[in-house]
Parts: sequence; C-alpha cells; structure tokens
Amino acid sequence: DAGVIQSPRHEVTEMGQEVTLRCKPISGHDYLFWYRQTMMRGLELLIYFNNNVPIDDSGMPEDRFSAKMPNASFSNLKIQPSEPRDSAVYFCASSPVGLDVGELFFGEGSRLTVL
Amino acid sequence: AQKVTQAQTEISVVEKEDVTLDCVYETRDTTYYLFWYKQPPSGELVFLIRRNSFDEQNEISGRYSWNFQKSTSSFNFTITASQVVDSAVYFCALFTGTASKLTFGTGTRLQVTL
Repeated sequence: DAGVIQSPRHEVTEMGQEVTLRCKPISGHDYLFWYRQTMMRGLELLIYFNNNVPIDDSGMPEDRFSAKMPNASFSNLKIQPSEPRDSAVYFCASSPVGLDVGELFFGEGSRLTVL
Repeated sequence: AQKVTQAQTEISVVEKEDVTLDCVYETRDTTYYLFWYKQPPSGELVFLIRRNSFDEQNEISGRYSWNFQKSTSSFNFTITASQVVDSAVYFCALFTGTASKLTFGTGTRLQVTL
C-alpha cells in the first residue's frame, strides 16, 4: 500500500509568493495532520482534520497560513504571502484513529525555502 | 502544560554498542500516552512504540527495548547491539487529553559508526 504522499518534496520560492503544499493520506485513514519542523521550534502541530473537517487549527501561526481538505484523499496547506521565517520542513501525517490511540503515518515531508 | 525533554542532543556510538536514549515528560493528567518515533535520513517519521500511562510493563522488540517508569516520569529507549542503520533522530512524544495533541521532544540524533 502507498504511504502518505506529499508534494513537492522541495520548494524554493521568493518572499511574497504563494506556496501550496499537497498531501494524499493513506486510504481509509480518517485523520490528517499537518506538522512543521524547524531547528528552533522542533515539531509543531499546525492543524488536523477528522473526516475532512478541521478540528484544531490552533497551531496555525497566522492568517497567512490556511489548510483545506476538500475530500478524503487530498489536503493542501497554503502560505500566502510567504516569508523567510516560514522556511521549514512541512509534514503531513494520517491515522486511522485519533492521536491518543493510534500511530501516525508520516509522509517524507516538503522542504520549503523562502528567500 | 505538558512537556517532553530529551536532554541528549546527539549521541555517537560504535556499532555493536548498546545505547540508551532518555526521555522525561511532564503532565498533570493521569491518563496519557507516550510514543517513540524514528526519523531516518530520508526524513519521514516512523512510529516505534506507544505506551499508555497505566501500563508500566517494559517492552522488548528485537534489539529495541523501552523502560517506562512513572515514578521518575521517564520513558527511556535502549538499542542493544546498535547497527549503522539505527543512525537517525529519535523523538519521544506525549499525548494528553488536556492538550489533545502530541507534544514532541526536541529529538536525539544517534550516529552509529563502524
């Protein structure tokens, strides 16, 4: 079975540009999570969805960030406008059950560099 | 507030040595879950183990073992006879109902050399 698929793997953009990161979760998984990893702040949960509905977006840094899950097989994370401090690795993860019970299945991440 | 501390930033060992990665957690919840994840050079995090707060039995899986001690709020991870393929960053994580999200430690980078 395919794992969590993220694209692009690498993105280099200039400050002010819109960035869209994409994620395809594992089929049948009801939960989808977006994490950000930086050297300074480690792994941070940005937002998660249950059955395509956003449950907790308290980790989204500011209004420049938005995430949607239009259907069970796709989610995207947008940053508009992007800033150099957004440079990080963004991970998508899915799970068949919630955080407290099951394991998370992570994608390989999208490395974003904002110049 | 919940917190996970992995005091060891980086550890280097020679292959076949045993190595223990420390994890100390803080929470006021009585029900919680602890996890270990491995992040190899390829980048994705891989689940290793989950433990709930009511199960203090130690666990062994091949060369991996975990020691959960509520008295010291620790959930340490030992790799026996380490191998080069064990080189990765290892994260300890905590879930509580109060926070309703996983809190990750800062990770320990393990380098195993020949």
